[in-house]
Amino acid sequence: SAVISQKPSRDICQRGTSLTIQCQVDSQVTMMFWYRQQPGQSLTLIATANQGSEATYESGFVIDKFPISRPNLTFSTLTVSNMSPEDSSIYLCSVEIGRTQGTEAFFGQGTRLTVV
Amino acid sequence: AQKITQTQPGMFVQEKEAVTLDCTYDTSDPSYGLFWYKQPSSGEMIFLIYQGSYDQQNATEGRYSLNFQKARKSANLVISASQLGDSAMYFCAMREGRTGGFKTIFGAGTRLFVKA
Repeated sequence: SAVISQKPSRDICQRGTSLTIQCQVDSQVTMMFWYRQQPGQSLTLIATANQGSEATYESGFVIDKFPISRPNLTFSTLTVSNMSPEDSSIYLCSVEIGRTQGTEAFFGQGTRLTVV
Repeated sequence: AQKITQTQPGMFVQEKEAVTLDCTYDTSDPSYGLFWYKQPSSGEMIFLIYQGSYDQQNATEGRYSLNFQKARKSANLVISASQLGDSAMYFCAMREGRTGGFKTIFGAGTRLFVKA
């Protein structure tokens, strides 16, 4: 199993500023995933963070807006840059761990971001 | 086209009864994985169950089982003996491979209400 510590758990930010979200995993993982969940919506993958290489961004998400760091196999950060009210969402990091019976996925507690 | 479809926005079930939450998917990749998650009102994402496309048997985890019908491309979640604490949002998700890794796509979710 894996335990993910994500912080901050919530924040209220002024438009035009940036917020960096951190995820720490208690085991080494190759890939970490960053998701956004807009109010009342499902999860949308922002990017996949690989250690030692640039993150892979999904359609509609760009590095300038959501820069990601992955300095080692247990840690990653997502920055939401130049925020606007439309960025108000829950942001979640996730990892997947293979096991004999299949794959298990783990999520951080989420960061509830409100941009005013 | 929708890759993951959950046709039930909301479901009601009586406590102690079983309930089936529907999920259909669309992929041309022969290797894929299917997940179910629970999201209570607290916002955390809780992994419930996983089914690999090559798994011969339906996955089970305690009161959760996955009714995997590959030819019909369906992966319904069955919750037996519902409890009040099962009231939550439930998401079906599919992981499929692509160049350089893989991507997980989430359905829109089904909100389950368990009645006492």
